[in-house]
Amino acid sequence: DGGITQSPKYLFRKEGQNVTLSCEQNLNHDAMYWYRQDPGQGLRLIYYSQIVNDFQKGDIAEGYSVSREKKESFPLTVTSAQKNPTAFYLCASSVTGYSEQFFGPGTRLTVL
Amino acid sequence: QQPVQSPQAVILREGEDAVINCSSSKALYSVHWYRQKHGEAPVFLMILLKGGEQKGHEKISASFNEKKQQSSLYLTASQLSYSGTYFCGTAAAAGNKLTFGGGTRVLVKP
Repeated sequence: DGGITQSPKYLFRKEGQNVTLSCEQNLNHDAMYWYRQDPGQGLRLIYYSQIVNDFQKGDIAEGYSVSREKKESFPLTVTSAQKNPTAFYLCASSVTGYSEQFFGPGTRLTVL
Repeated sequence: QQPVQSPQAVILREGEDAVINCSSSKALYSVHWYRQKHGEAPVFLMILLKGGEQKGHEKISASFNEKKQQSSLYLTASQLSYSGTYFCGTAAAAGNKLTFGGGTRVLVKP
């Protein structure tokens, strides 16, 4: 079955700790994305990558970092510099940079 | 800049129709529409490209007026399964990142 997996589904961390969210896809898509969603809000783009070993900042990249060493994987690190990291994080992928996006199930991060 | 969606919320009875609008202050190349159920990931509905083409997905259709920089999503003869939050995502050029609107919450009651 092709799709996008994100793990874990729920994540709790103490303030000041870095945390890495996993995103894997087996759809053979070139483009991958990370979005943040706060309660009752829309999706805000954190980082995106259109090809392996290349990525660009989105609208709210401060306090986050990513890597794209493999086509299938696009992990997101939430650093201690992110002021308000508690949110729902969604990973997505698409065939190209402007085609339909397929979303993973999301990771709900709570920083205590 | 984020596109503006209206209305913010709508309540329908099963079988009724509704229209959701997505307006941008910038010229648009494409508009994507997604639906998200509570606690779940957004699901793709359709893409509209520059050219004003109307598209459909079951009894949900959409139009794109590039002169007005606006897209409209039409929910026809709504079903209970249409409940959720609808988001539009816009791109100013091919290959550009999407910018999503704040969403429109739709509740369809029996």
